[in-house]
Amino acid sequence: NAGVTQTPKFRVLKTGQSMTLLCAQDMNHEYMYWYRQDPGMGLRLIHYSVGEGTTAKGEVPDGYNVSRLKKQNFLLGLESAAPSQTSVYFCASRPRGLNQPQHFGDGTRLSIL
Amino acid sequence: AQSVTQPDIHITVSEGASLELRCNYSYGATPYLFWYVQSPGQGLQLLLKYFSGDTLVQGIKGFEAEFKRSQSSFNLRKPSVHWSDAAEYFCAVGGAGGTSYGKLTFGQGTILTVHP
Repeated sequence: NAGVTQTPKFRVLKTGQSMTLLCAQDMNHEYMYWYRQDPGMGLRLIHYSVGEGTTAKGEVPDGYNVSRLKKQNFLLGLESAAPSQTSVYFCASRPRGLNQPQHFGDGTRLSIL
Repeated sequence: AQSVTQPDIHITVSEGASLELRCNYSYGATPYLFWYVQSPGQGLQLLLKYFSGDTLVQGIKGFEAEFKRSQSSFNLRKPSVHWSDAAEYFCAVGGAGGTSYGKLTFGQGTILTVHP
């Protein structure tokens, strides 16, 4: 059972380039989340989804777009990468309902030059 | 707005010593509280969670945490630290209500170093 899988694990981009990070979960979870982790700031929520075809903004959504066309996949897009988006990105998922923790992927380390 | 504060950025302990990591939260409704651990280059692993009931909760790897509503705290403890516990620890708070959609607010993290 793979759990939450993020691809790629590492990527270096130039300013202005675009890319998409993929998150896939095989646990049939309804809710999915994208976070960014920066030193001394913990994890901050970028966008989240409560079901297939739905997305919503989190705490730091600017410069990012997301899509949830299939229940198992949650894509995070950077249309025009900026150095301020250099970070480690984590995806998480959890089932609908109370008393459920989030399950995390291993992260994508993204550097924008 | 909800928030989590972990006052200690970095803690160093000797192997075999006891450990307490502090977490203070602010949340306007019934909170759900979590502790996660992150080893270098890895994702976050759930240590323990508190939803309701007994305020002392047991987790994996010998960790426990105590919820104190009057102090808005959820401190993590371990009686005897092992070298393998060296990692970064995150406290998080989320809502119990349906419209919270399980969203979490994380603290800044505490890096634990263990000396042999």
